[in-house]
Amino acid sequence: GAVVSQHPSWVICKSGTSVKIECRSLDFQATTMFWYRQFPKQSLMLMATSNEGSKATYEQGVEKDKFLINHASLTLSTLTVTSAHPEDSSFYICSATKAGEITDTQYFGPGTRLTVL
Amino acid sequence: AQSVTQLDSQVPVFEEAPVELRCNYSSSVSVYLFWYVQYPNQGLQLLLKYLSGSTLVKGINGFEAEFNKSQTSFHLRKPSVHISDTAEYFCAVSETTDSWGKLQFGAGTQVVVTP
Repeated sequence: GAVVSQHPSWVICKSGTSVKIECRSLDFQATTMFWYRQFPKQSLMLMATSNEGSKATYEQGVEKDKFLINHASLTLSTLTVTSAHPEDSSFYICSATKAGEITDTQYFGPGTRLTVL
Repeated sequence: AQSVTQLDSQVPVFEEAPVELRCNYSSSVSVYLFWYVQYPNQGLQLLLKYLSGSTLVKGINGFEAEFNKSQTSFHLRKPSVHISDTAEYFCAVSETTDSWGKLQFGAGTQVVVTP
């Protein structure tokens, strides 16, 4: 299997606070992890790509100081939304590719719904 | 850079009827192609993928897709849908030259199956 989990599944926070979202590959080692953002009834927009032990690569228009990504191990990546504001409310989804798998298929987590009040 | 176009934003279909979801892409290099399904408030589940070889790809839940290089298309089909197939379907591509396998998604097609 290739199971990816996210925690929490749903979080509500006050404006100005920071929120950390975890993404874990449960039964495989992840070479690369991706973070996406999805607005209601829209497609997924790639925010950043991270490899274990190195800095994340952010897509154009994504503020790296606001969306902090830490890929500390081959099974864990975290996304911290700093000083969150209502416009950061969204569905955040992570994915991972398996180490040693040639095809670069991404395995997705169940998503985290962030609501900023 | 590649792009993906899903031609239908919503497809209503009756239970046990066939369905086809259209996907066209553009890229200056060769690509891998994927179809994912998303149920409400959930992440994405891989339905099938085309990497190379046979252009007809069979996936889970009775879905299949055909890669047509000349028409740069990768349409998804199912001969008989169930109510449980109601979901959002995303077509995605990654360029074979991209070492990280970054995906470009289409806008999605909402399939609504009614009795």
